[in-house]
Amino acid sequence: AQSVTQLDSQVPVFEEAPVELRCNYSSSVSVYLFWYVQYPNQGLQLLLKYLSGSTLVKGINGFEAEFNKSQTSFHLRKPSVHISDTAEYFCAGVENNAGNMLTFGGGTRLMVKP
Amino acid sequence: KAGVTQTPRYLIKTRGQQVTLSCSPISGHRSVSWYQQTPGQGLQFLFEYFSETQRNKGNFPGRFSGRQFSNSRSEMNVSTLELGDSALYLCASSYYGAGANVLTFGAGSRLTVL
Repeated sequence: AQSVTQLDSQVPVFEEAPVELRCNYSSSVSVYLFWYVQYPNQGLQLLLKYLSGSTLVKGINGFEAEFNKSQTSFHLRKPSVHISDTAEYFCAGVENNAGNMLTFGGGTRLMVKP
Repeated sequence: KAGVTQTPRYLIKTRGQQVTLSCSPISGHRSVSWYQQTPGQGLQFLFEYFSETQRNKGNFPGRFSGRQFSNSRSEMNVSTLELGDSALYLCASSYYGAGANVLTFGAGSRLTVL
């Protein structure tokens, strides 16, 4: 069975500083990995996805993530955050034979301070 | 084009009642998935429908059920409500029911059970 773990429940950071949100996964088969963002009182918005190919994936709003198979990680990074990046971030994975049955991590609340 | 529409956005029920939530997917999308989001359990997969057929079901009791209509619109029903059913219920749609497809989420239906 697949599992997704987000190692930090909260990450405080100052505006314009870099940030990394950590995600580890475990699966016995190939997986597709995603990062979603959720703003208050809204649904989830896709930031980026890893399906195959290049391990460095670029997404929207300046975010990127690197798939590391040996470390079973998919960490999300941004070189310079803005106040508007304050939100909850979710890492998710789905096994390649599991339809749209995503497994989500517990979420990381990114708090950007002025 | 219009996004995923969920109705109602907010509702309050009492224990023992039942509730029906509706989801209209993006036009052309044939797969609809439902997720429950709570502070304690996070985001959990409920079920997935593709072309009116349930393809996957999460680990939820039989009180939780769903269906999909020929126009791809979906409903989920929770009978004999319990306090623990209070949650944000998210619907997501995609063209196909395969993990490589991007899910587009609605804003959710927030259910409060008193």
